[in-house]
Amino acid sequence: AQSVAQPEDQVNVAEGNPLTVKCTYSVSGNPYLFWYVQYPNRGLQFLLKYITGDNLVKGSYGFEAEFNKSQTSFHLKKPSALVSDSALYFCAVRPFTGGGNKLTFGTGTQLKVEL
Amino acid sequence: DTGVSQDPRHKITKRGQNVTFRCDPISEHNRLYWYRQTLGQGPEFLTYFQNEAQLEKSRLLSDRFSAERPKGSFSTLEIQRTEQGDSAMYLCASSAISGGAYNEQFFGPGTRLTVL
Repeated sequence: AQSVAQPEDQVNVAEGNPLTVKCTYSVSGNPYLFWYVQYPNRGLQFLLKYITGDNLVKGSYGFEAEFNKSQTSFHLKKPSALVSDSALYFCAVRPFTGGGNKLTFGTGTQLKVEL
Repeated sequence: DTGVSQDPRHKITKRGQNVTFRCDPISEHNRLYWYRQTLGQGPEFLTYFQNEAQLEKSRLLSDRFSAERPKGSFSTLEIQRTEQGDSAMYLCASSAISGGAYNEQFFGPGTRLTVL
């Protein structure tokens, strides 16, 4: 069975500084990996995905993520954080083959960007 | 707005009552998913449709839960004899099938259920 770990419940960063939100995964075979963001009282918004190819994936709003197969990680990054980036971030995984079409999510990381 | 829509956005019910939620996916999307999200947790998969066929169900989907997608368009999720443990946000998502690649799921705003 697949699983996702987001080791930090909350990440605090000053506006203008780089941010990293960590994610590690466990899956049989190769993974599809996703990052979603959730604002209060709203559904999840898709940020980016890794399917295959380049390990550095660029997504919406200046976010990017780096796939590291040996470390089974898919950390979300942004070079310069904005206060408006403050939200709840979820990492999700699906096996490349088998495992149905469901996504397995982590427990989420609350990002707080302060002035 | 051409995104995924869900109705109602909020539902408060008494224990033992039945409730039904509706999801309207993005119109060209063949796949439709239901998830449940409780406070402090990520969404947990409940069930999945491809067109009108229900192809996968989670063990979380007890026999009190039933989902349908009768014409391959909108979907309903019914919970019978609700329990306080059913209180959660119920999320619907849809995705397209194209080129054999696995496409991202687009989520609706959710229906927040409170069982008193």
